Amino acid sequence: QKEVEQDPGPLSVPEGAIVSLNCTYSNSAFQYFMWYRQYSRKGPELLMYTYSSGNKEDGRFTAQVDKSSKYISLFIRDSQPSDSATYLCAMSAGTGNQFYFGTGTSLTVIP
Amino acid sequence: EAGVVQSPRYKIIEKKQPVAFWCNPISGHNTLYWYRQNLGQGPELLIRYENEEAVDDSQLPKDRFSAERLKGVDSTLKIQPAELGDSAVYLCASSLLRRSSYNEQFFGPGTRLTVL
Repeated sequence: QKEVEQDPGPLSVPEGAIVSLNCTYSNSAFQYFMWYRQYSRKGPELLMYTYSSGNKEDGRFTAQVDKSSKYISLFIRDSQPSDSATYLCAMSAGTGNQFYFGTGTSLTVIP
Repeated sequence: EAGVVQSPRYKIIEKKQPVAFWCNPISGHNTLYWYRQNLGQGPELLIRYENEEAVDDSQLPKDRFSAERLKGVDSTLKIQPAELGDSAVYLCASSLLRRSSYNEQFFGPGTRLTVL
C-alpha cells in the first residue's frame, strides 16, 4: 500500500466551478500536509501547507485536513483556466523529514 | 531571487550510456534534494543532502546512480549505465532547513531524460 493515495483524474470543469481535490494516507505520523501545483514541463510549486488538523484559506484556495480519517482536501473556488495544472498532495512527519507525494490529479478548467 | 537551476532541461541517450544532471540550488539553502518523477506519478525522493552530507540516500539505486554535492552548493546526479526504465523527469529541490519550523522545498524545472 502506498503511503499517499490520490485520484489521478483527469478532472474537467467549467470556468467558475468549485473544484475538490482529495488525498488519503496511511501513516498517522504525518504532521505537515502540502498541496503543490505543477504546470506542464515545470517543477512543482507550493500552493499551501497545513500543520496538523484544521482548515487554511488563501484567496480562492482552501485546504482541509482530517487526521482522524487520514483525509485531506483542497478546494478551489471560482476556478479559472489558469488553474489548469496537475495538483499534487504531499505529506511529511516533521521538519526535515521526507516528503511523500501523491500521484497528482490533472485538472482542466474550460473557459 | 533566482530559483533552482537545472541543466540540461532535456536529454536523450541510448541505453547503457552514462548521463549526468546538474543542479544549482537557491542561494543560502543548505538542503538539497534529488527526486525522480515518472510519467503520471508524483516525485519520489532519491537523495537528500544537508550541506555536503548525504543524510538520506536509502532510495538511491546505488549500483548505477551516484550523486555529489561539493562545497555544499551545486550538485550532480549521475547514472551509469542508463537503463530504459530510467526514463523520467529528474527534479532538484532546495530548502533552508530550520528544525523548529516548516521548511518549504523549492523545485527546479527538472531534466527530462529519455533512454532509447
